[in-house]
Amino acid sequence: QQQVKQSPQSLIVQKGGISIINCAYENTAFDYFPWYQQFPGKGPALLIAIRPDVSEKKEGRFTISFNKSAKQFSLHIMDSQPGDSATYFCAASVRGGSEKLVFGKGTKLTVNP
Amino acid sequence: DADVTQTPRNRITKTGKRIMLECSQTKGHDRMYWYRQDPGLGLRLIYYSFDVKDINKGEISDGYSVSRQAQAKFSLSLESAIPNQTALYFCATSAHSGGGSGANVLTFGAGSRLTVL
Repeated sequence: QQQVKQSPQSLIVQKGGISIINCAYENTAFDYFPWYQQFPGKGPALLIAIRPDVSEKKEGRFTISFNKSAKQFSLHIMDSQPGDSATYFCAASVRGGSEKLVFGKGTKLTVNP
Repeated sequence: DADVTQTPRNRITKTGKRIMLECSQTKGHDRMYWYRQDPGLGLRLIYYSFDVKDINKGEISDGYSVSRQAQAKFSLSLESAIPNQTALYFCATSAHSGGGSGANVLTFGAGSRLTVL
């Protein structure tokens, strides 16, 4: 049973547009929700993360929106740039449990010039 | 130099061969992990280790074994490789969990692409 469902599988956005990637989870014990960014030929790297005590976290052009009641969270990339083209993974875990981190299946984002 | 180094970066082998993927880190982290990435399936945990004397199975450990030779070294072995083990393998590290948010941050290597013919 997939614990974190991510959509869409792929996304094409024009430069300057908004990219939105969605994730949903079932386990209400999850309390840490990171997003990882992976460029071709590289390993994933932490982009931004949120805990459920806040509904939104923003870092530059990247924003996580969190809806605890709906058990959903999303990544918004404002003013998308070609350099943002990468695969994005959402994930979730229980507090302190790096080994319990469950990843979504990933979204391949392409930002066209 | 990279914080987490994986060797080899690419390997082609034949069914039935024994393969070892190696990982070393300079982060000073206690915790090390092996993940497998397949297109459309995301990242799945194979094994993890909290210290040299601690080895734990992950979600998909069948067909794999690991060895934690030192705090900084964690290797993944395929005793008898099969074609459905063709994948991209990642080693990762994290700091000891102290309850803080930093404990959950994984630092990944660049990956080892394995092809089993």
